[in-house]
Amino acid sequence: DAGITQSPRHKVTETGTPVTLRCHQTENHRYMYWYRQDPGHGLRLIHYSYGVKDTDKGEVSDGYSVSRSKTEDFLLTLESATSSQTSVYFCAISLGSNTEAFFGQGTRLTVV
Amino acid sequence: GENVEQHPSTLSVQEGDSAVIKCTYSDSASNYFPWYKQELGKRPQLIIDIRSNVGEKKDQRIAVTLNKTAKHFSLHITETQPEDSAVYFCAASPNGGSNYKLTFGKGTLLTVNP
Repeated sequence: DAGITQSPRHKVTETGTPVTLRCHQTENHRYMYWYRQDPGHGLRLIHYSYGVKDTDKGEVSDGYSVSRSKTEDFLLTLESATSSQTSVYFCAISLGSNTEAFFGQGTRLTVV
Repeated sequence: GENVEQHPSTLSVQEGDSAVIKCTYSDSASNYFPWYKQELGKRPQLIIDIRSNVGEKKDQRIAVTLNKTAKHFSLHITETQPEDSAVYFCAASPNGGSNYKLTFGKGTLLTVNP
């Protein structure tokens, strides 16, 4: 498996609290992504990064922010968690265009 | 942006039969089309991919075909086995300079009955 680790693996938080999910890679891949997976919706892109400090929005970016201060770390922050953000979050990495994306183990987030 | 439609959403076959999953995409700039398999509780993993300069690619029991004119691509699994049961996702990506977005379909739950 590619060297990609997500933390935490499970989290329960209350509505209105901030939450940060971490994705750490040891592969030195340029591209990193955050997806959320919900039944009936597949994998939807939240934000992605194409280099240190270079990020862009995906299709479901509202309510989320990201930061990438180092090649190996990509953080996803929910500024004020809502119940609609209950989901499984996957981080992925890739070398670039036309190359395989490797996924982390996923983080199950429950907002109560 | 890119929109990927995937059909069917569920597919049930008997062991040994073939399974076909179809996807269409909207962005004519897309030129990379991977397929991922996700077993229950696991992460998605690449099983096969195809690039726009190729019309068909095969790897043992799995094949993918691409029709760029019609903007659709398909996954074919022959001689299905119970371990093929999983959710399968298609995806599409343009080769757009320094940016690279991988857009997924909504997935197909394949069940192979022994």
